[in-house]
Amino acid sequence: KAGVTQTPRYLIKTRGQQVTLSCSPISGHRSVSWYQQTPGQGLQFLFEYFSETQRNKGNFPGRFSGRQFSNSRSEMNVSTLELGDSALYLCASSPGGGRFVTQYFGPGTRLLVL
Amino acid sequence: SQQGEEDPQALSIQEGENATMNCSYKTSINNLQWYRQNSGRGLVHLILIRSNEREKHSGRLRVTLDTSKKSSSLLITASRAADTASYFCATDASGTASKLTFGTGTRLQVTL
Repeated sequence: KAGVTQTPRYLIKTRGQQVTLSCSPISGHRSVSWYQQTPGQGLQFLFEYFSETQRNKGNFPGRFSGRQFSNSRSEMNVSTLELGDSALYLCASSPGGGRFVTQYFGPGTRLLVL
Repeated sequence: SQQGEEDPQALSIQEGENATMNCSYKTSINNLQWYRQNSGRGLVHLILIRSNEREKHSGRLRVTLDTSKKSSSLLITASRAADTASYFCATDASGTASKLTFGTGTRLQVTL
């Protein structure tokens, strides 16, 4: 099976702009989670989508949003970008059920906000 | 927020030596996982250990879990240069398997 793919891999934006990142999960996986990784805060959970519905949410401002399509592909949007949004954004997919679920991560999108 | 700390923050060893990393967490968990990350790339899943398990092996990896101390360790035996990476523990501290809480990570450098 193909792994989790993320596009684009690199992105440069300026403050105030918005950005949309895309994630295609492993075939058959219905859950997609998003994480932000920064040197200062480490890896932090943003949100999870399952069957086109947001199932879990982390402690991020409303500027961070997402959605999931019927084919389980997910997009994450950040509006009104701030310098602190510069980070590696990772998505992970899993089948979606059970208590002992391995998450499979994509290569990430590195976002630089100038 | 981080679930806990990983110790050490950085570790440098020679090829062939064993590497041990420790992870502490704060709340009850159902499972704990270890991931590897190469140079700011995606995370690669290494191993999952359930809260009712004490030890698990996978190839050159050995993971232990002590729920009474809320700690876990990852042992990599006979390290190779290709093991150079950052290693993270992750728990389902929130009670949700798909919402992982990560540790701060250990950066491992294996030299020839």
